[in-house]
Amino acid sequence: GAVVSQHPSRVICKSGTSVKIECRSLDFQATTMFWYRQFPKKSLMLMATSNEGSKATYEQGVEKDKFLINHASLTLSTLTVTSAHPEDSSFYICSARDPRQPQTGELFFGEGSRLTVL
Amino acid sequence: SQQGEEDPQALSIQEGENATMNCSYKTSINNLQWYRQNSGRGLVHLILIRSNEREKHSGRLRVTLDTSKKSSSLLITASRAADTASYFCATDLNQAGTALIFGKGTTLSVSS
Repeated sequence: GAVVSQHPSRVICKSGTSVKIECRSLDFQATTMFWYRQFPKKSLMLMATSNEGSKATYEQGVEKDKFLINHASLTLSTLTVTSAHPEDSSFYICSARDPRQPQTGELFFGEGSRLTVL
Repeated sequence: SQQGEEDPQALSIQEGENATMNCSYKTSINNLQWYRQNSGRGLVHLILIRSNEREKHSGRLRVTLDTSKKSSSLLITASRAADTASYFCATDLNQAGTALIFGKGTTLSVSS
């Protein structure tokens, strides 16, 4: 199956700093990537849809200025948590569909990034 | 927004037993998918069932879909300790290129 790589897997930062998480499609091109957030023992909440070459589409209630998404190439989307605070601590996961498999509808996920803000 | 609701939230069984997880959703769908997540890891796709299908099998997995009741079930037969994970249903709405909407998940624990 298609491979999505996410980095870093774990990051600890001080309150007020910014953290960048990268999501790469390794063996396919992704014009669209999806960013999810997962709280402990909870489901995945869709944060935003990242669109290559254009602005991301954010879900209701997600702060655009807090969670900056950039999709500068067909294989890379980044999520930057700006001025992070302890309440931003969470598990962030990216995903994408493989255009070579248009009929499956399957999402391929990165391994996730655990953010801890002190 | 949340679409699916899994039931039960947690399930503990012995190896060899069958595990059944249920999922209900709210709106019309194009297909419904089940994913598995090991603790602290990304999600892995298990099986997809389209809105015009009623049942599908893949190895030890059996999925059913009842669009009239807006519900689905995932059956894992002859469970193994390695099946211990969280299982999520996800709905794909009738819109091309959109994200999946995930349910709350069922945490399955299989003891040997």
